[in-house]
Amino acid sequence: TQLLEQSPQFLSIQEGENLTVYCNSSSVFSSLQWYRQEPGEGPVLLVTVVTGGEVKKLKRLTFQFGDARKDSSLHITAAQPGDTGLYLCAGGSGNTGKLIFGQGTTLQVKP
Amino acid sequence: DTGVSQNPRHKITKRGQNVTFRCDPISEHNRLYWYRQTLGQGPEFLTYFQNEAQLEKSRLLSDRFSAERPKGSFSTLEIQRTEQGDSAMYLCASSLQGTPFLEQYFGPGTRLTVT
Repeated sequence: TQLLEQSPQFLSIQEGENLTVYCNSSSVFSSLQWYRQEPGEGPVLLVTVVTGGEVKKLKRLTFQFGDARKDSSLHITAAQPGDTGLYLCAGGSGNTGKLIFGQGTTLQVKP
Repeated sequence: DTGVSQNPRHKITKRGQNVTFRCDPISEHNRLYWYRQTLGQGPEFLTYFQNEAQLEKSRLLSDRFSAERPKGSFSTLEIQRTEQGDSAMYLCASSLQGTPFLEQYFGPGTRLTVT
């Protein structure tokens, strides 16, 4: 059974601080996606990484896929209150498109 | 280009009642997925369709759950004889077969509360 473990599960920081969220598995994934979800809404896709060692940047967000395609990280620089939300990593494998999600990291950025 | 839509957004029902949810995917997307998400957890896969064919079902999908996509467009998820444990957010997502990297786009979800 493929599992994704996210850490930390909860993070409360002050505006302007940096943070890193980790997503780890013992399984190899063909792709890994990061989503952000606000209360009462569906997840919104932020980025997809597919190549081992790949790094993608989205403004203040930096995403990295591990060399062995088993783990990923999300780094946010100078966090802002608008970054508050649930961050989810999800791994895809095979041809079905079925995603395996981590349990999520709840981020609260205080002004 | 409209996104994935789901109706209703909220549903409150009494234990034992049947409920049905609807999902309209992005128009050109031929794959449609249902997930269930409980509070503080990530979504869990329930089932998926490619066009009108239901190709995979999770063990989570008990006999009380049934999903259809009769014309390969919208889909319905029905829960019969609801139980309090069915209370969750039900998410629908869609994707286009052949899209690189299995990217899925989610709707806003239907929040089910069973009293």
